[in-house]
Amino acid sequence: DGGITQSPKYLFRKEGQNVTLSCEQNLNHDAMYWYRQDPGQGLRLIYYSQIVNDFQKGDIAEGYSVSREKKESFPLTVTSAQKNPTAFYLCASSIAPGSSRGKLFFGSGTQLSVL
Amino acid sequence: AQSVTQPDIHITVSEGASLELRCNYSYGATPYLFWYVQSPGQGLQLLLKYFSGDTLVQGIKGFEAEFKRSQSSFNLRKPSVHWSDAAEYFCAVGPFPGGYNKLIFGAGTRLAVHP
Repeated sequence: DGGITQSPKYLFRKEGQNVTLSCEQNLNHDAMYWYRQDPGQGLRLIYYSQIVNDFQKGDIAEGYSVSREKKESFPLTVTSAQKNPTAFYLCASSIAPGSSRGKLFFGSGTQLSVL
Repeated sequence: AQSVTQPDIHITVSEGASLELRCNYSYGATPYLFWYVQSPGQGLQLLLKYFSGDTLVQGIKGFEAEFKRSQSSFNLRKPSVHWSDAAEYFCAVGPFPGGYNKLIFGAGTRLAVHP
């Protein structure tokens, strides 16, 4: 079955440590996104990528980095510069941005907590 | 600035009762509007969307929503709620000029269903 796989389901970060969240999709979608979800705040866009080797900052990119070396993969690194990383992170994808008009497919998320 | 407001943080209904979840938006042009549903610890699933045309849109799982331009609203309704509808519901607006599928999400409404 086609879909988006996020791993791990739960992740713990120590002070000063960088951690990487994995996102893989086999939907052949061009665009991929990372959202952060905090209780009572909805979803906020961290980074997005419309094609391979290209990505753009979203609304809350500080303290995060991404890469898009393959169409299927869009890993998110939470760096030590992100001082409040505890949140639920959601990866999403869509067909070419102009054609799908907002229909996003989401992974099941990664809960990141600080030790 | 574009924004989405979901006035009700938490709603409880009895199984079999009708449901209406409120959504108000602020957007400078004709919006694309969405309702997504999220089960605990999971990603989001698209329930329905409005792009243009008939202002009453039908979605999956028996949900419908009505776009009212004069009230800047896009309320979600269901005539008879089932226990499996207990989840968090997000209203979203977008995408925005520029082509990428950036959506602005509301803070969500958590629905509890009593037997």
